[in-house]
Amino acid sequence: GQNIDQPTEMTATEGAIVQINCTYQTSGFNGLFWYQQHAGEAPTFLSYNVLDGLEEKGRFSSFLSRSKGYSYLLLKELQMKDSASYLCAVMDSNYQLIWGAGTKLIIKP
Amino acid sequence: GAVVSQHPSRVICKSGTSVKIECRSLDFQATTMFWYRQFPKQSLMLMATSNEGSKATYEQGVEKDKFLINHASLTLSTLTVTSAHPEDSSFYICSARGIRDTEAFFGQGTRLTVV
Repeated sequence: GQNIDQPTEMTATEGAIVQINCTYQTSGFNGLFWYQQHAGEAPTFLSYNVLDGLEEKGRFSSFLSRSKGYSYLLLKELQMKDSASYLCAVMDSNYQLIWGAGTKLIIKP
Repeated sequence: GAVVSQHPSRVICKSGTSVKIECRSLDFQATTMFWYRQFPKQSLMLMATSNEGSKATYEQGVEKDKFLINHASLTLSTLTVTSAHPEDSSFYICSARGIRDTEAFFGQGTRLTVV
């Protein structure tokens, strides 16, 4: 079966760095997405990785290793507004998105 | 990025009535629309996938006669919750993808409360 695993909850301190991991087992692979979702709102796109390596976009970076079925989202200089759920999703061979359950990130002052 | 507009953002309806939710792609042609449901503190659950001009493909466990999906044009898809019950109360989100896109763009979501 298809499976996406990510931690349920993480806590970090304002100004610090946090890494949210995601491992996956899917039928085929056409890219991995990270989304941010604040409570009561729809997800917003953060990043897309289809090749191995690190993609940096401001304070957020995303890494992919296809051979390991592994990705992480790195958030630097954490701000209180970064408190949200972070969803990992993989596009399978049918171009369908398989979603992880999300990681709730709690930022403390 | 592309804009997807979902309406209404919030709706309260009486048990037994039907509710229609619209999802529009404003600046691109959405060949594929996805409808999700999200219960509190849970991840997105795909309900159905629709391609313009064809019948929607429903996920296992989703009643197609209860959740009617219409994708009649490249810019509009609708989800109608028929004979709504309190257990249908949830956050419904659409996303749309163009033929050349890998990313799917999300609507703002609709908070449905059935009383």
